[in-house]
Amino acid sequence: DIQMTQSPSSLSASVGDRVTITCRASQSISSYLSWYQQKSGKAPKLLIYDASSLQSGVPSRFSGSGSGTDFTLTISSLQPEDFATYYCQQSYSTPLTFGGGTKVEIK
Amino acid sequence: EVHLVESGGGLVQPGRSLRLSCVASGFTFDDYVMHWVRQAPGKGLEWVSGIRWNSGSIAYADSVKGRFTISRDNARNSLYLQMNSLRGEDTALYYCAKDRLRRSGSFLEMDVWGQGTTVTVSS
Repeated sequence: DIQMTQSPSSLSASVGDRVTITCRASQSISSYLSWYQQKSGKAPKLLIYDASSLQSGVPSRFSGSGSGTDFTLTISSLQPEDFATYYCQQSYSTPLTFGGGTKVEIK
Repeated sequence: EVHLVESGGGLVQPGRSLRLSCVASGFTFDDYVMHWVRQAPGKGLEWVSGIRWNSGSIAYADSVKGRFTISRDNARNSLYLQMNSLRGEDTALYYCAKDRLRRSGSFLEMDVWGQGTTVTVSS
């Protein structure tokens, strides 16, 4: 199985900050990487697919990059509604696997 | 509007069985791969199983293989998860989710999620 490792597991940031979250795969997954946002008590929401494609309706302050084993989710200017937990997920092979999550908290 | 509504969760003793259901609306159900994803209390997301639009391809997480069975009834716009030999570690909120890409031959990412149904395995 492909292991997905996210870092950091949590971070504190202020509104307006640029935030970067990293996801590393245990083997190359090409660009088969997606990112989700999950707010407390809610279902996850797809933000990015194919490593860098923005899902319809998602604000452009979210962006993704990377290929192979190393990927990044960037929030260019953190907004109050962005405080949540973020997960990466690989779809290169089954079983599909998620990273452990990164909780973005208010500083 | 696209909707997924799960049901069938509850409290069950270890070793017993439970069947989850998910009813879809607002999209052509039989065009999409469907998934079950779970989240244990206070933990992260874990993909459980996926089924291709024509049931021609099915996959499971290692943790449930041999105990859980995914199925679908396209005529009823419904997805199911039969869970047997339940264990304490199966306690979680179970989400039904739709794959993003129409008529995909692969299991990809999930663009629509239900609100989940809670399964608690305890004596």
